[in-house]
Amino acid sequence: DAKTTQPPSMDCAEGRAANLPCNHSTISGNEYVYWYRQIHSQGPQYIIHGLKNNETNEMASLIITEDRKSSTLILPHATLRDTAVYYCIVRPPGGFGNEKLTFGTGTRLTIIP
Amino acid sequence: GAVVSQHPSWVICKSGTSVKIECRSLDFQATTMFWYRQFPKQSLMLMATSNEGSKATYEQGVEKDKFLINHASLTLSTLTVTSAHPEDSSFYICSAPDYRRYEQYFGPGTRLTVT
Repeated sequence: DAKTTQPPSMDCAEGRAANLPCNHSTISGNEYVYWYRQIHSQGPQYIIHGLKNNETNEMASLIITEDRKSSTLILPHATLRDTAVYYCIVRPPGGFGNEKLTFGTGTRLTIIP
Repeated sequence: GAVVSQHPSWVICKSGTSVKIECRSLDFQATTMFWYRQFPKQSLMLMATSNEGSKATYEQGVEKDKFLINHASLTLSTLTVTSAHPEDSSFYICSAPDYRRYEQYFGPGTRLTVT
């Protein structure tokens, strides 16, 4: 799996958009970008994933650069409950044999009241 | 959405005893499950891949005789920490891929404290 690089920590004011960057310069053509988050003392929670197009769901938006070497997760209106560690993971497409996930160090996002 | 449960959510045991942790997929079948360990302020580290009907595959450096994995059915995998020591105290998390949704779901974790 391609290695990812994320800033270790970020702060964001409550109600503002939180933009979390991730570098994945060695990503290969069939690898997806996945984002998970882990709230303290809980299991990771899936947020969103994408291949090359920007994606949006009820939780967040994912912006992937045209060269696919980096991406940004956007939480449009951050709340205190969004305080968590956010992991950017690059992996092959889902399917039998491609499920193993390698977690990096992630970004600890703190939402400030 | 799909749910993966773990039991117990926390356990305290004495050094030298064994502890069993269960991981269940509640609304889908999982031929494969994964076990992770997470120490305080660190990331998740994959320990092993649990395969229904066959032996588990362990990551490098993980003692298979200490961390026994049994994938008893298509919805249940168990991790037994044998002869636990204080250094085994950690947060253990399982996950299971749901092939219908091409997604992987994580359990809530089990906090093990060995005294």
